[in-house]
Order: sequence, then C-alpha cells, then structure tokens
Amino acid sequence: AQKITQTQPGMFVQEKEAVTLDCTYDTSDPSYGLFWYKQPSSGEMIFLIYQGSYDQQNATEGRYSLNFQKARKSANLVISASQLGDSAMYFCAPSQEGSQGNLIFGKGTKLSVKP
Amino acid sequence: KAGVTQTPRYLIKTRGQQVTLSCSPISGHRSVSWYQQTPGQGLQFLFEYFSETQRNKGNFPGRFSGRQFSNSRSEMNVSTLELGDSALYLCASSLRGFEGLGTEAFFGQGTRLTVV
Repeated sequence: AQKITQTQPGMFVQEKEAVTLDCTYDTSDPSYGLFWYKQPSSGEMIFLIYQGSYDQQNATEGRYSLNFQKARKSANLVISASQLGDSAMYFCAPSQEGSQGNLIFGKGTKLSVKP
Repeated sequence: KAGVTQTPRYLIKTRGQQVTLSCSPISGHRSVSWYQQTPGQGLQFLFEYFSETQRNKGNFPGRFSGRQFSNSRSEMNVSTLELGDSALYLCASSLRGFEGLGTEAFFGQGTRLTVV
C-alpha cells in the first residue's frame, strides 16, 4: 500500500516568514504526481498546488511552491510570506496521473502562524 | 460556479441506526469520491463513483455503501452504525475523463456524523 510520511505533526511560523512542510511518499511508479491540500478548522479541504510526475519544473501557485525531488520521492510545500489565515492542517496526497479520484492522504501537519 | 455541496452538515445518530449522506458535485464533474476523517485514522478513502459506477473502493466494511445518480449526485449509506463511525465525511468531485487526465479534486465542507 502507498505510504505517505509527513514528519511534522505541528509547526509554528512567524507571520510574514516562509515555512517548509515536508512530505515523502513510497512508490516506485514514476507516474505519480502529488497534491497538497489545506484544511482550516471549518473542515473543507482546499486545493493548493499540484506537481505532475513529468513536470520539468517545480510547481508554483502564488505564495505556494513545491520543492519536488522525484528521486527522493519528496515534495515539500513552501509557503512564503505566511499570513494568519494560513493557520490550518496541511495534507499531501500522491496521485497516479489522472487518478485523483482516490487520493491517499498523509497524516497532515498542523501549521500555526504567530502574529 | 457552485462548489461541492454536502448535506446535512451535522448529524447525530444512535448506534444500530443507518444514515444516508448526500453530495452534489460541481456541475460537469462526473467523478465523486468519499472520504472518512477521524482523529485516529486521519483521512481515509471510502469509494469513488464515475458515471454511476463504482470505480474504486477503500478498505471499509460492507456496512459502507454508496451510489451515484445520472446527474452525478452521490449518496453514501452507513448501516448498523457503530460508535467508531463518528467522523467527518468528505465528498470530492473532479473532472476525470476516460483518457485518464484530470484536474484537482474539489471538496465539500463535509458532514460531521456523531454516533451516540
């Protein structure tokens, strides 16, 4: 079974600073890309960013970027200029290309942004 | 455009009862997936439906079932409820064509089920 590791159960960051959330996954299938989702206390999962398995460059989306190291099977999320509204749970989910219908999530990292 | 809508938002049921949860996907999305989220087990995939057919199924007992209608709306049913079924149930919809390409999954706000 697919194993996803998010080693940081909780993280603190000062407002306006950058923070990196770790994610590693265990698959030998080269067709796997990776999703990151944010879950605020309201419960809804919010899509942040996706890295396709064959993308040549690291994905970026506004203040979010991925440090994707395919050989290491890691895709760390970098949030720049943290805002108080970034406080939430963050989940990574590897996904076989086109198979986002059955995502397997990591345990998540709880990010707290301090004013 | 409207997002994924889940009803009801909150539900309290008694052990042994059954429950039906509803999910209306984003217009045009044909894939609907269900997830269970608990503090102990985290987010776990239940099943995925595409064009009224169950495409994938997670590792859950047969008490958990689902279906999808021709308009892509989906329901999941849990029979003979147990205390451990208390969880946040999330539904997600996505574009998913036969070519295998697609986009991200969009989630609803979930239904919080409490079994007493």
